[in-house]
Amino acid sequence: QTVVTQEPSLTVSPRGTVTLTCASSTGAVSSGYYPIWFQQKPGQAPRALIYSTSNKHSWTPARFSGSLLGGKAALTLSGVQPEDEAEYYCLLYYGGAWVFGGGTKLTVL
Amino acid sequence: QVQLVQSGAEVKKPGASVKVSCKAAGYTFTSYYIHWVRQAPGQGLEWMGIINPSGGTTRYAQKFQGRVTMTRDTSTSTLYMELNSLRSEDTAVYYCARGLIVATKLVDYWGQGTLVTVSS
Repeated sequence: QTVVTQEPSLTVSPRGTVTLTCASSTGAVSSGYYPIWFQQKPGQAPRALIYSTSNKHSWTPARFSGSLLGGKAALTLSGVQPEDEAEYYCLLYYGGAWVFGGGTKLTVL
Repeated sequence: QVQLVQSGAEVKKPGASVKVSCKAAGYTFTSYYIHWVRQAPGQGLEWMGIINPSGGTTRYAQKFQGRVTMTRDTSTSTLYMELNSLRSEDTAVYYCARGLIVATKLVDYWGQGTLVTVSS
């Protein structure tokens, strides 16, 4: 049973920078896991932010960036805005199957 | 514009089946895979499986093997997810989401979600 682990919660100040991570129970996350990141606000469907580690969709704000960091996938928010308060999920690829992380609740305070 | 429009909320009894639909519009139906994802109340996202609308091939999460069936109707650009032997733990919002898994792997557009409630 593959487990993908994210920080349960993080707090950041407005205009600050925060990094969320995504780890795999199978070992270091590489580009071959094609990390995908989503944002979800209460009562809404998830919104895609990043795909294949670091690629942005046309609607992804420039302050969001994806990378690999210390054996994990990472999502960095630079210059955080109040509207970035949300739940963030990563999704990893395991040779045909996909597994979500448990999500990180980001509070902007 | 790309749209994934899902069917309405369902209430089912334990042991019954549910079939959720996802109608695609605004793009070439057979060019993108469709993921099915669910979210129990107050919980995280859970990947259920994926279907290739072009050939109908599927891959299911091990947890749902034998209980879920994903199909498509190319004549109406509609995807379906059927879950059998429902139990209370299957109460969740079910989403369809568009994706690519060839050359690059991405998920972009999501349906609005379908609430399935399992209760006696």
